[in-house]
Amino acid sequence: AQSVTQLGSHVSVSEGALVLLRCNYSSSVPPYLFWYVQYPNQGLQLLLKYTSAATLVKGINGFEAEFKKSETSFHLTKPSAHMSDAAEYFCAVTTGAGSYQLTFGKGTKLSVIP
Amino acid sequence: DGGITQSPKYLFRKEGQNVTLSCEQNLNHDAMYWYRQDPGQGLRLIYYSQIVNDFQKGDIAEGYSVSREKKESFPLTVTSAQKNPTAFYLCASSTLYSGSSYNEQFFGPGTRLTVL
Repeated sequence: AQSVTQLGSHVSVSEGALVLLRCNYSSSVPPYLFWYVQYPNQGLQLLLKYTSAATLVKGINGFEAEFKKSETSFHLTKPSAHMSDAAEYFCAVTTGAGSYQLTFGKGTKLSVIP
Repeated sequence: DGGITQSPKYLFRKEGQNVTLSCEQNLNHDAMYWYRQDPGQGLRLIYYSQIVNDFQKGDIAEGYSVSREKKESFPLTVTSAQKNPTAFYLCASSTLYSGSSYNEQFFGPGTRLTVL
């Protein structure tokens, strides 16, 4: 079984400050990991994915995430927050290998304060 | 442009009625999925299909039904047996797993269902 825990249902940062959204996973086999972003009343858009290549993954809109096996973490960061980053962010895990199901975390809503 | 369309965007249902949510994709993806999203609960898988005329239950299939008669289409019916159907419903699609690469899921814009 696999699971995802996102620490903090709400995170607030000032514009220009570092964004750090936390994701820890549980998986009995090497995982594939994803971060998605959702703007109000819209679908999910893929930010980045880890699929066992480089442990530091760069995504769209200046976001990146680092896979740390020893910590079972895949935290999302952005050096400088922009007002347009205000949205809800979801971490997801799958074991791949014939499993097409993604297990999502409960989401973290990011607010950016001007 | 390739993508996933869902209709309608907003849907209102009276108690005891069945309603069908539409999902169409032109990405030529084999796999399609339906998720339910409630505030603070993330996304929960209702049904998924990897091939035409075949589908599997997800974590919360009770009170829902699906069909997959065409590769492009995966409609979801919310039946009167679903006790609390008010939610945001998301459809997604992906290619099938191949080799060492997992192919991410692409999402539609969603349908917000409200039971009156």
